[in-house]
Amino acid sequence: QEQLVESGGGVVQPGRSLRLSCVASGFIFSDYSMHWVRQSPGKGLQWLATMSHDTTKINYADFVRGRFTISRDNSRNTVSLQMSSLGVDDSAAYYCVRDRSTLSPVWNFEIWGRGTLVTVSS
Amino acid sequence: DIQMTQSPSSLSASLGDSVTITCRASQSIGIYLNWYQQKSGNAPKLLIYRTSTLQTGVPSRFSGSGSGTEFTLTIVSLQPEDFATYFCQQSFGGSFTFGPGTTVD
Repeated sequence: QEQLVESGGGVVQPGRSLRLSCVASGFIFSDYSMHWVRQSPGKGLQWLATMSHDTTKINYADFVRGRFTISRDNSRNTVSLQMSSLGVDDSAAYYCVRDRSTLSPVWNFEIWGRGTLVTVSS
Repeated sequence: DIQMTQSPSSLSASLGDSVTITCRASQSIGIYLNWYQQKSGNAPKLLIYRTSTLQTGVPSRFSGSGSGTEFTLTIVSLQPEDFATYFCQQSFGGSFTFGPGTTVD
């Protein structure tokens, strides 16, 4: 079945970097745009970034632009999120999410991973 | 950025009840409004997209309506598996923001 599995979360000090990865299975990965969404008790659900199926289009939320970088490798069915200059407000569960539509994204978040927890703390 | 609000923040209901959750956008988003259900410890699940289209496999007791800035999610004949938190999300643009959630317990 369609599945997304995130990894790379953990405890990191403020100002440091962390890279999250997500492996997809059960669907044609290269057909779909992929997103990262996070959830925290204080900020709720927040969309972070989107990369189109063919990597040509990338979108970022304003509050992560310049700090977070999304990338994907269609040959390995993976999408990643490189996060830098992390602050305590970045502590959250981070979800890898597949778009509902093939090719162009419609920002309907259809398939979610189980999430990976990031804690930013000294 | 487009802000999303939901009301109520929580509601108590019983099996068989009908419940309605309202979502409002700070500016017109057309019909680009989606609803998600989240149960404790799990990721959100897409229920309805583009205001009123049920995602595959979602029971017909769920329905959505609205346009512009005001939207509703209605659940008729509440079932045990419907006790959860519901979020709206706009897919019109900007930061594709989510509402704060409504817990049905």
